[in-house]
Amino acid sequence: GAVVSQHPSRVICKSGTSVKIECRSLDFQATTMFWYRQFPKQSLMLMATSNEGSKATYEQGVEKDKFLINHASLTLSTLTVTSAHPEDSSFYICSARVPGVPQETQYFGPGTRLLVL
Amino acid sequence: GENVEQHPSTLSVQEGDSAVIKCTYSDSASNYFPWYKQELGKRPQLIIDIRSNVGEKKDQRIAVTLNKTAKHFSLHITETQPEDSAVYFCAASIRGSYIPTFGRGTSLIVHP
Repeated sequence: GAVVSQHPSRVICKSGTSVKIECRSLDFQATTMFWYRQFPKQSLMLMATSNEGSKATYEQGVEKDKFLINHASLTLSTLTVTSAHPEDSSFYICSARVPGVPQETQYFGPGTRLLVL
Repeated sequence: GENVEQHPSTLSVQEGDSAVIKCTYSDSASNYFPWYKQELGKRPQLIIDIRSNVGEKKDQRIAVTLNKTAKHFSLHITETQPEDSAVYFCAASIRGSYIPTFGRGTSLIVHP
C-alpha cells in the first residue's frame, strides 16, 4: 500500500522559534498533500491543501504567514510553524492522495507531535 | 459545506459483543464515506469505505451500511476484540471533491 512518512515524529521547542515538519510519499508521487491538526481527543481539522508547484490552499481561519507550506517536489511537502507559541502545541498529520486510486482515498502519515514550551 | 455528526463519542463494550457507530451527513451530494481507525498517538488508517451506489459493504468482522435517503451511515463491528480499542472516525466526501469532512470521532473501548 501507499506509504507516507513524516519527520520528526515529535519535537519540543522554545516559544518564538520556528519548526519545520516534513511529509514524504515513499512509493508514489503525490501532486496533492494535506495538512491536518488534531487536538487531544478531537477530530482532524484540515489546515491546508498542498499542491506541487503552486501555492497551498488554506482553510478559513488558518494563518498563512504562521503556517508556511511548501510542496517543492512530487514526494515532499513541508509545514513550517513560524514563531511557535504554546497554543501551537498539537499533533500535526499530513496525508496524500494516491494517483490511480479512487480520488477520495487519503493515506496518512504517522503524525508529528509538537510541544512548544 | 458538508457537516458530519458522529455518535456516540465514547462506546464501551465487552469482548465478543458488537459495536455500532453512527454518522449523519448534511449534503446529499456526498458520495464517498470512509471510516478510519486511529490508535493512540498513531496515524488514522482506512478500515472500510462505501460509495453512494452501494447500501452495504462487509469485510470480515467489519461492515458499513448507508442510507442515502436518511443521509446516515453506520459502522458495525462484530465479535469485538481488545485490539479493536481505538478512536474511529467517519467521513464524507462531496462528489467532485477529494477532501473529506470528518466526524468528531468515537472512542471504542473493548474490555477483555
